Amino acid sequence: AQSVTQLDSHVSVSEGTPVLLRCNYSSSYSPSLFWYVQHPNKGLQLLLKYTSAATLVKGINGFEAEFKKSETSFHLTKPSAHMSDAAEYFCVVSVGTYKYIFGTGTRLKVLA
Amino acid sequence: GAVVSQHPSWVICKSGTSVKIECRSLDFQATTMFWYRQFPKQSLMLMATSNEGSKATYEQGVEKDKFLINHASLTLSTLTVTSAHPEDSSFYICSASRDRVGSPLHFGNGTRLTVT
Repeated sequence: AQSVTQLDSHVSVSEGTPVLLRCNYSSSYSPSLFWYVQHPNKGLQLLLKYTSAATLVKGINGFEAEFKKSETSFHLTKPSAHMSDAAEYFCVVSVGTYKYIFGTGTRLKVLA
Repeated sequence: GAVVSQHPSWVICKSGTSVKIECRSLDFQATTMFWYRQFPKQSLMLMATSNEGSKATYEQGVEKDKFLINHASLTLSTLTVTSAHPEDSSFYICSASRDRVGSPLHFGNGTRLTVT
């Protein structure tokens, strides 16, 4: 069965320090993986996507993620957090056409 | 990038009335769109998959007679909340993807529905 696990429901970092949001997946297929960000009362914005090309994926706003098949992980990182990064982040797996599985989300808090 | 427009962004209606929410893919054709409901501080709950030219596929527990979905064209899907009640108050989000395996979902900005 396919699944997505976001290991932390809340993450707090200080402004200027690195961000790590963890995501593990389970899939019988070669998955496509995505990270989205959601600000309050907004839809989800695509940060980056992995679709079986390079395992290190660079996204918008300085975020990147590394696909590690051996660890079934797709963790999201950013070297230096900004206050504007405070939001909810979702890891999503696509396991076929029109089949998407969402993680439960990680709320990122950035402290001044 | 792909753009999905959702309208209205917020709506207040009286109990017993119906509300229509529109979801448009502005720069690509979407044979399939998705409708979600999001409760406070929770992930998205898939309500239904909207298929152009055919009936929507509803998730278990979602009342198809209450949440009417119409996908009449390749760029427009609508969700109508019929006979709305206060418990239908929520944040509704639509999304669409290009017709390719591995395509990301593109989301509308959501609709905040408040039923008084």
